[in-house]
Amino acid sequence: GENVEQHPSTLSVQEGDSAVIKCTYSDSASNYFPWYKQELGKGPQLIIDIRSNVGEKKDQRIAVTLNKTAKHFSLHITETQPEDSAVYFCAASPLTGGGNKLTFGTGTQLKVEL
Amino acid sequence: GAVVSQHPSRVICKSGTSVKIECRSLDFQATTMFWYRQFPKQSLMLMATSNEGSKATYEQGVEKDKFLINHASLTLSTLTVTSAHPEDSSFYICSARRYRVTEAFFGQGTRLTVV
Repeated sequence: GENVEQHPSTLSVQEGDSAVIKCTYSDSASNYFPWYKQELGKGPQLIIDIRSNVGEKKDQRIAVTLNKTAKHFSLHITETQPEDSAVYFCAASPLTGGGNKLTFGTGTQLKVEL
Repeated sequence: GAVVSQHPSRVICKSGTSVKIECRSLDFQATTMFWYRQFPKQSLMLMATSNEGSKATYEQGVEKDKFLINHASLTLSTLTVTSAHPEDSSFYICSARRYRVTEAFFGQGTRLTVV
């Protein structure tokens, strides 16, 4: 089955700096890679995703890159703000159909300090 | 769009009783719903996958008689924790997907405490 590793487990940055979180996956059949933000006591919120036919995707201050050959993908947050503080999870799954399961990384606790 | 509502958000129950958690897709039809369990400061652990009108598929190690899942309609799935014990205390989260759509949207989670 799929195995997703995520680093770092904790990340502290100063407000305005950039934050980068990296994930690797093992199953070459995976071709959908979402990122979720989870605030304390809440469910995960989808913030961005990327499919394997694309190398990079941006949405305002958030970007995701994918290297299929190396089986790794990364989340980039620029101009970080205190409200970006949360736990971020990467995930991977095959794209074929709605029943396919997401395999999650172990999470990164991001703290944006003033 | 793509709102998933989970109820209750918090529940406390006594050992030996059963608790039902509801997961509703408010603005779309969810052909597939997933139930996860999350321990403090850990990742999400998939418990089961349910397709509307079918029996749920449980992950290895998850007791199907203890965690009853029903997905009777395209907008509602329920998880019932039967004969709850303190070790069942956890954060339970559902997610839902439309037919042939990849994105999964999550509910806000249910904090279950068994005393």
